[in-house]
Amino acid sequence: QKEVEQNSGPLSVPEGAIASLNCTYSDRGSQSFFWYRQYSGKSPELIMSIYSNGDKEDGRFTAQLNKASQYVSLLIRDSQPSDSATYLCAVIRGTNAGKSTFGDGTTLTVKP
Amino acid sequence: DGGITQSPKYLFRKEGQNVTLSCEQNLNHDAMYWYRQDPGQGLRLIYYSQIVNDFQKGDIAEGYSVSREKKESFPLTVTSAQKNPTAFYLCASTRDTAGYGYTFGSGTRLTVV
Repeated sequence: QKEVEQNSGPLSVPEGAIASLNCTYSDRGSQSFFWYRQYSGKSPELIMSIYSNGDKEDGRFTAQLNKASQYVSLLIRDSQPSDSATYLCAVIRGTNAGKSTFGDGTTLTVKP
Repeated sequence: DGGITQSPKYLFRKEGQNVTLSCEQNLNHDAMYWYRQDPGQGLRLIYYSQIVNDFQKGDIAEGYSVSREKKESFPLTVTSAQKNPTAFYLCASTRDTAGYGYTFGSGTRLTVV
């Protein structure tokens, strides 16, 4: 079992819809959770971080964390074609030297 | 503006050759990391450094070496012992190891010819 698992995708949504990306993790000691966006051929960019159970909103993005279910998700409201990218979920176990473990990513396509 | 600079952007390596990838940051970050990304896959940790003159192996360190002589610099050498080095190499940093997200460089794409 991988430490961090994401929906394999690809995920396709129409412009203006809500895109929902999911991630599960295996280590209950995990304390820090991140979503990165990676455009094709480019490096990842941090878009959301979440540390406690519940929702965290930043503009059109909402991260949701449920530590009991070992589940973290990213919702993108009013999806735009510019949101088309691969989204990487990353997890840090405790203060494990700040080392992040990444999922394989979910590729999102937003169709105009 | 602060950031991480990786060079070169593209690198071609011949069989049996060692090559060095540069990573320089001006963010005043203590911790730096090297990851490798293969097509369609996530990032795998090669080496990391929490402080100058100290570094640790990650999950796939075989065939790689690093140094951390300055806070700003964390170069990665891909040695001839790395049998499958073709990949996208990403350098990242974070202000400390308390659990913050990363800033990434633009990456180096290495190809064996």
